[in-house]
Formats: sequence, C-alpha cells, structure tokens
Amino acid sequence: EDQVTQSPEALRLQEGESSSLNCSYTVSGLRGLFWYRQDPGKGPEFLFTLYSAGEEKEKERLKATLTKKESFLHITAPKPEDSATYLCAVQAGSSNTGKLIFGQGTTLQVKP
Amino acid sequence: NAGVTQTPKFQVLKTGQSMTLQCAQDMNHEYMSWYRQDPGMGLRLIHYSVGAGITDQGEVPNGYNVSRSTTEDFPLRLLSAAPSQTSVYFCASSAGTGLGGYTFGSGTRLTVV
Repeated sequence: EDQVTQSPEALRLQEGESSSLNCSYTVSGLRGLFWYRQDPGKGPEFLFTLYSAGEEKEKERLKATLTKKESFLHITAPKPEDSATYLCAVQAGSSNTGKLIFGQGTTLQVKP
Repeated sequence: NAGVTQTPKFQVLKTGQSMTLQCAQDMNHEYMSWYRQDPGMGLRLIHYSVGAGITDQGEVPNGYNVSRSTTEDFPLRLLSAAPSQTSVYFCASSAGTGLGGYTFGSGTRLTVV
C-alpha cells in the first residue's frame, strides 16, 4: 500500500534558526513528489514537484531534495512569515490519474 | 484571476440531510479532485475527474457522489449526511496529470449534527 509519513508533526524555531522537515514514502512507481504550504483556514499552495532521486529545487528560503525513500524540505534562516503547515504528497502508479497521496503535514512555527 | 472557487465556505447540516458542495475553476483545467481534511488524517481523496464526463472513486468515496458535465464545474453531493462527514472539503484542479501542481480552493467547512 502506498504510504507517506511526515516528521516531525510540529516544529518550533527561532527566527534565523535553520532546520529540515522530513517526508518518507513507500510507493510503487513514483511519478512525482510534491511539497505544499497551507496557512490556517486556506487551501494548500503548491511549492515544488520533484521527479527523481537526486533532484533539488529552491524557492527563497526553501530547498527541497529527493532520495529514493524520502524528501527533505530545508528551511534556511526562517522568518515568522514562514510559519505554516507543510504538506508532502506523492503521485504514483502507471496511469495518469493525477491522484495524490498526502502525508499528515508538519506544522512549523517561527518565533521572532 | 478567480482560480478555484468553492461554495459555500461554511455549512451546518442535520443528520440525514443532503447537499451539494460547489466547485468551479476558470483555468480550463482537465483534472479536478475532491479531498477531505481531518485532524491527524491529512488530506484524503474522495473522487476525481480526468476530464468532462469522466469521474472515478478515490480513497474515501462512500456517501458522496460527483458528476462532471462541464470542464469548469465539479460538484460534490452528500447523499445523506452523517456526523462522520464533518470535515473540511477541498476542491483542486490541474492542467494535466497534476505533476505541475494542483490549484486548491479555499475549502468548505462542513459540520453535521
């Protein structure tokens, strides 16, 4: 069964304190791994898609990496506005159904 | 740019009542999906569509129906509401298979009493 697990569930950082969020996955035939950001009371906002092991993508203070078993979202020198829930999802299988399997998310709080 | 529009934003139903959650997108996206989000459970796929006239079941389809008569609209129908359907519902759309990222609506918070 395809599965996505995120850790930690919650993370508190001081402004400027860099850290990483983890997303481990067990799927048959990875088509893509996604990172989304979700603010309270809003829908998820797309950040990155990673397609193959070794791939990296960056956006401002965020950098996502991918291995054959897990992905990391590195946050460098975070600011309070980076506080949100970060969701990891995978798309797998041979058919182009567009179906996503989500992890439970990591809630990040950055204190000034 | 409207993106994905969901209505209503909030709804309270009594057990046994039926209702339709509306979802519309103005980006001419082929792929549309419905998810529910519950504390500790993450987002779970209810139904999805790869184009007008084509729908299929996701992970948790029981108690829900969908149809896709146009590219723009993808309504979700609750047939007979149950307390277990209390949740936040999100509609999402994508231009292709979603590898470029889905655009999500702002959600409908549903409470069934």
